[in-house]
Amino acid sequence: AQTVTQSQPEMSVQEAETVTLSCTYDTSESDYYLFWYKQPPSRQMILVIRQEAYKQQNATENRFSVNFQKAAKSFSLKISDSQLGDAAMYFCAYMPKIIFGKGTRLHILP
Amino acid sequence: DTEVTQTPKHLVMGMTNKKSLKCEQHMGHRAMYWYKQKAKKPPELMFVYSYEKLSINESVPSRFSPECPNSSLLNLHLHALQPEDSALYLCASSQRLAGGLLSTGELFFGEGSRLTVL
Repeated sequence: AQTVTQSQPEMSVQEAETVTLSCTYDTSESDYYLFWYKQPPSRQMILVIRQEAYKQQNATENRFSVNFQKAAKSFSLKISDSQLGDAAMYFCAYMPKIIFGKGTRLHILP
Repeated sequence: DTEVTQTPKHLVMGMTNKKSLKCEQHMGHRAMYWYKQKAKKPPELMFVYSYEKLSINESVPSRFSPECPNSSLLNLHLHALQPEDSALYLCASSQRLAGGLLSTGELFFGEGSRLTVL
């Protein structure tokens, strides 16, 4: 069965610094998608970034980038130049099985 | 329009009440989802509809009854709930489901309905 593991329940980073959130997964499938979702205290879950497993190139979206290591089944999220608005719960997700990790709460220190 | 709209935002009900949660999207998505989320936990999948047909029911108790009247609307009917059912209920949609009935694409979430059962 597929699993998604986020080993960091909470993290803190100084404003303007860089932080990396970890995610590992387990699957026997060769074709799948990985996502990072952000859920701020106002509750709405929004997509941060997605990665198709067949693509070798790491996805980037402005200050957000991933380090996708398919062989190691690792999918970490790097946030550069952290901003106060980045404070949220971050969930790593695996599709098509729709599995979410337990989440990492990210605190941004002014 | 890239929104998923959920109503009500907050709901308090007794264990004998009957209420409904509503979800609406106008993105032309043909897959819609209900999730339950407890505080500081990830969302737990409850139901998935694909082309207005129930595709996945994750062994949810019968006191939760989903309904998909058309491709834009999704309801969750609540009856005889227990206090442990208090949670944030999230609706989501995606463009389609893959051939294996499971999503390969991005989920768009609503803000959720905060349910409290007394």
